[in-house]
Amino acid sequence: EAGVVQSPRYKIIEKKQPVAFWCNPISGHNTLYWYLQNLGQGPELLIRYENEEAVDDSQLPKDRFSAERLKGVDSTLKIQPAELGDSAVYLCASSLDQKETQYFGPGTRLLVL
Amino acid sequence: SQQGEEDPQALSIQEGENATMNCSYKTSINNLQWYRQNSGRGLVHLILIRSNEREKHSGRLRVTLDTSKKSSSLLITASRAADTASYFCAPFCYGSNRLAFGKGNQVVVIP
Repeated sequence: EAGVVQSPRYKIIEKKQPVAFWCNPISGHNTLYWYLQNLGQGPELLIRYENEEAVDDSQLPKDRFSAERLKGVDSTLKIQPAELGDSAVYLCASSLDQKETQYFGPGTRLLVL
Repeated sequence: SQQGEEDPQALSIQEGENATMNCSYKTSINNLQWYRQNSGRGLVHLILIRSNEREKHSGRLRVTLDTSKKSSSLLITASRAADTASYFCAPFCYGSNRLAFGKGNQVVVIP
């Protein structure tokens, strides 16, 4: 069974530029998550989708971050414009149900210069 | 804070020894999950223990949960160099309906 796929794995951009991350969850998983992980910290939830509906986006900085999950499968997370403080690892995860095991992708490591 | 808090935050042991990590949390939970993260990689799920369970095993891993003390422990027996990683506990909290990851516990197994 294929795991959660993310791309790109690494991204280096200059501040004020836009950036987008893509995630393909495990087949059949209705719940999809985007997390932010800073160095030395645990992941922090940015947004959770149930199918195509964003049901928990209270921690998503909506002035510059946006996300979508068209057709309830793949998802993209966008930052526009990026700031220096956005440098971090962005993790995507999926699960059958919000209370069940979450399976994480390898993450996208973002460096904003 | 609802997040799990791991203790100790760093642990260094010899290969073959057992490693024990503790986790405390503050709110009511549905379950508690332990994850491992190797350097530069994504998180790998280890064990999910539900609030009505007290102990769970998976290979060399043993997890306990004491909901009265709001604490959990992860035991790795006969550690191997490949067990070197950061270990995160993540209680699934009622109310927020989220996994609340702690800062992680860095374990180094010396060959």
